[in-house]
Order: sequence, then structure tokens, then C-alpha cells
Amino acid sequence: DQQVKQNSPSLSVQEGRISILNCDYTNSMFDYFLWYKKYPAEGPTFLISISSIKDKNEDGRFTVFLNKSAKHLSLHIVPSQPGDSAVYFCAARGGSNYKLTFGKGTLLTVNP
Amino acid sequence: DVKVTQSSRYLVKRTGEKVFLECVQDMDHENMFWYRQDPGLGLRLIYFSYDVKMKEKGDIPEGYSVSREKKERFSLILESASTNQTSMYLCATVRGPNSPLHFGNGTRLTVT
Repeated sequence: DQQVKQNSPSLSVQEGRISILNCDYTNSMFDYFLWYKKYPAEGPTFLISISSIKDKNEDGRFTVFLNKSAKHLSLHIVPSQPGDSAVYFCAARGGSNYKLTFGKGTLLTVNP
Repeated sequence: DVKVTQSSRYLVKRTGEKVFLECVQDMDHENMFWYRQDPGLGLRLIYFSYDVKMKEKGDIPEGYSVSREKKERFSLILESASTNQTSMYLCATVRGPNSPLHFGNGTRLTVT
């Protein structure tokens, strides 16, 4: 039972344009959501997070939107840069422990 | 900055060998995690520990065990390595409930 879903395995955008990565979840107990970026042969790097009391969080070029009624979140990267090319993982947490449930990832390619 | 150190970046072992993967964190965090990452499957939780000598199974614990004798060190043990355990193994730690997981650089394990 996949509780966190990233339905697009890959996404390709032009440099300077907006990248939008999507994530859906099924568990109503999730109350904290995160995005990670991962380059090959490295560990995931935390990008941005949002708690369920908010619907938007912004950090520089990165903005995460949360739609609780739709159980959907998205990551916007504006403007996209070639260095943003990586696999992006959506993750969620809920309840009393701190473990994260991850989606399968979306490979973003930003073309110069 | 949180530092999570995994002892090996690359490891090659033979089927049936006992394998130890070591992870050390320098932030005195109570919670530590072991995930594995496989293409198309995302990150899956193997085991986690919320205190010294305390452990809980994650989503895919079969074929693995863990050891947490000291707060800073969390070891993953493959009792008898098999080829389907060829993967990228990622250790992580977390400060608190509304904090992200911080990952090490990973160990790429190949079992032949």
C-alpha cells in the first residue's frame, strides 16, 4: 500500500522555466511533509518542508504548496537551473514516531 | 550542521557473507534510521532506533538486523548477504518531530 505517490517518474524542463513536481498521499494522519533532492551516489539532501497547519512555504527559488483536502502537495522551482537536475523525493510523517514515508521519486532534468 | 558518517561508500561482498554497515552521528540525536534506495522503488525503511538498545522494524526488515550499543552509532547487519540486497543503503538521524531527517552519503553495496 503506497501511502506517498509521485506519479511522474521523470520531468524535463528548459532552463529558466518553472519546474512543478507533484505528490499525493493517502494517510490522513500525515501532518508534516518534506522534499528531498538526491544526486547519484550521494545521500538525499533536505530542501523544504511544510506542516499541515500551512498551505504554502517558500525558500528562495523553492515553494511547496499543500492542499489538505485533496491530499496533494507540489514543489515549484523558479527559475529552474541545470544544477537542479536530480531525483526529487516527496516524504511525509505523522503520529508519534519520526520515521518518514517516501515516494518513489521524480527525475528532474533541466536542459540548458 | 548535522554530520552523519557512513563508514564505507562502496562495498562488494559475496553471497552468504555477514555484512556490517556502520553509521555514526555527531549531534546526540536519539532517533536513527536505516533506509535502502532502489531505482523505481524510492527509499524504504529497514529499521529504526529511538534510543540506545531500542529498535523497531521498518517496512522491509527481513534479512537484516541492527545494533545500537552507543547513542552515536547505529549498525545495520546483513546476516547472510544475498544478491537481492544489492542496493544503496542510507543512514539518517533526526532532532525532533518537526525536523527533517539528515542523511549520510550512503553505502553502495554489491552482493555477487
